[in-house]
Amino acid sequence: DAGITQSPRHKVTETGTPVTLRCHQTENHRYMYWYRQDPGHGLRLIHYSYGVKDTDKGEVSDGYSVSRSKTEDFLLTLESATSSQTSVYFCAISESGTFEAFFGQGTRLTVV
Amino acid sequence: DQQVKQNSPSLSVQEGRISILNCDYTNSMFDYFLWYKKYPAEGPTFLISISSIKDKNEDGRFTVFLNKSAKHLSLHIVPSQPGDSAVYFCAASGGSNYKLTFGKGTLLTVNP
Repeated sequence: DAGITQSPRHKVTETGTPVTLRCHQTENHRYMYWYRQDPGHGLRLIHYSYGVKDTDKGEVSDGYSVSRSKTEDFLLTLESATSSQTSVYFCAISESGTFEAFFGQGTRLTVV
Repeated sequence: DQQVKQNSPSLSVQEGRISILNCDYTNSMFDYFLWYKKYPAEGPTFLISISSIKDKNEDGRFTVFLNKSAKHLSLHIVPSQPGDSAVYFCAASGGSNYKLTFGKGTLLTVNP
């Protein structure tokens, strides 16, 4: 299994508070992604990174920001959490030259 | 605007029979297609892929067929086993940005 660790695995937070989810990899893969999974929507890309300090928006990026200061870590921040951001968040990584992405175990976030 | 469509939310088959999961896409730029399997409370895992230069790729019990003119691909599982019961996601990528666009998923149930 690809070495991907997401933390925390579960979090409950209040509306309006900032939240940061962490994705850590030990594979030295260039590409890292944040997806959210919601019933009826499948997996939707939030942001992705194609290198240190190189990031770009996905299809549902509003309300989220990311940072990648080193190869192994990709942080997803909800600046001011809303109930619509209650979801399961997955981090994924892929190696240059291949499209197969490997996913972490997910973070279940509940905004109350 | 959904670029990857899995129109069947669920599919139920008997153990030992064939499972056929379908996927349609609208973006002509897509040139690489993947299937992922997801068990509850786990991250998606890569199953099989196909490049647009091929029309078939086989890996054990799993075969993916691609019909570019119809913008359609399908995943065949033969014979189906109860352990195959999971949500299956179709995904597609195009160009060199290594982003994957996912469908909404199909829940496969294989009955003993």
